[in-house]
Amino acid sequence: DVVMTQTPPSLSVAIGQSVSISCKSSQSLVYSDGKTYLHWLLQSPGRSPKRLIYQVSNLGSGVPDRFSGTGSQKDFTLKISRVEAEDLGVYYCAQTTHFPFTFGSGTKLEIK
Amino acid sequence: QVQLKESGPVLVQASETLSLTCTVSGFSLTNYGVIWVRQPPGKGLEWMGIIWRNGNTDYNSALKSRLSINRDTSKSQVFLKMNSLQTDDTAIYYCTRTDGGYSELDYWGQGVMVTVSS
Repeated sequence: DVVMTQTPPSLSVAIGQSVSISCKSSQSLVYSDGKTYLHWLLQSPGRSPKRLIYQVSNLGSGVPDRFSGTGSQKDFTLKISRVEAEDLGVYYCAQTTHFPFTFGSGTKLEIK
Repeated sequence: QVQLKESGPVLVQASETLSLTCTVSGFSLTNYGVIWVRQPPGKGLEWMGIIWRNGNTDYNSALKSRLSINRDTSKSQVFLKMNSLQTDDTAIYYCTRTDGGYSELDYWGQGVMVTVSS
């Protein structure tokens, strides 16, 4: 199985600051069609996961452009610029390139 | 609008079979696959399996011997059955959709909390 390693496991940030979350996979996530199926999700407290980014860098519908995703092959980053209070929760990376699909262990974002 | 909603029993006895339904609206199961994901209390997300838009299925190998997913496209419903339940199957069970592209994982159900009692 592809292991997704997220760092840091938690972080605390003040409103208006920027943060980055890293996700590294144990195998390349480039599929045979040339696309990379790496996605970012946010699970706000008590809520279902919500997709933020799909295929590394594509912003989901209705997602603020404060969120951005970069990376390739095995190394990916989610950046949140100008953090807002509503951004708190647990962020997960997810890969759907290889079976079984797998998720990172999560990064808990707290607001100072 | 697009919606997915899980339903099923909230309490199941150990060794019994779990049956859950994901009822979708706003899209057709012949155009989208449906994925089941679970989350034990206080823990992360685990992919369980998928039924593709053509009706084919793939399962997490760790669950494959106990798990089956099928559907009724006329009722817009996807069914999950998992047998030989143990207490560590206690989790929130979610369904979400995929088209392998723009709509992958874009909508999720609210989840159903299932407790397995010994």
